Amino acid sequence: GESVGLHLPTLSVQEGDNSIINCAYSNSASDYFIWYKQESGKGPQFIIDIRSNMDKRQGQRVTVLLNKTVKHLSLQIAATQPGDSAVYFCAENRGGSQGNLIFGKGTKLSVKP
Amino acid sequence: NAGVTQTPKFQVLKTGQSMTLQCAQDMNHEYMSWYRQDPGMGLRLIHYSVGAGITDQGEVPNGYNVSRSTTEDFPLRLLSAAPSQTSVYFCASSYLASGGYEQYFGPGTRLTVT
Repeated sequence: GESVGLHLPTLSVQEGDNSIINCAYSNSASDYFIWYKQESGKGPQFIIDIRSNMDKRQGQRVTVLLNKTVKHLSLQIAATQPGDSAVYFCAENRGGSQGNLIFGKGTKLSVKP
Repeated sequence: NAGVTQTPKFQVLKTGQSMTLQCAQDMNHEYMSWYRQDPGMGLRLIHYSVGAGITDQGEVPNGYNVSRSTTEDFPLRLLSAAPSQTSVYFCASSYLASGGYEQYFGPGTRLTVT
């Protein structure tokens, strides 16, 4: 079955609110996780990553949390803006070649003005 | 830098035809990959390469061939197109940054097989 998946396929938030996008993974050997943003008609764009030896990593307005106990990953977007509207994918690297990423199905984030 | 470029942007093929999707990067990345994206789904890895002369299969390699004769180029060949290969194809390249594997994606090739 799907190794990397998302709890919520769609998420609608009000502009200015915080957004939380969740992702579950099943392979305990995965050592690296990435969040991507994909706007309509474009390729995925790197947002933030985290290694398995970390629990939390922060970027500009984004935070990724990793809970290895329950194999759960989340992306938090602070003060969500209309430009954040996109599909968000989590991806895991199961070790070995760094090109070998397994993607989840994605969550569509809609930001209401 | 142009980043990752893909050609063509759109392509329509008839069943049984063959073609090559081109991918090039000018960032001197050693790692390159091909993914396909079907409606409502995430990306699935087709083939990848860890350097010139080295390729390996991903999740869904059947019906596709790749080669990596140079660092810059990583073409994807469809040997005999089938309707099941209708999809959007993305090429990506990556380097080691901050201990991670940040991947840069191209804009995609939208392929329809009739």
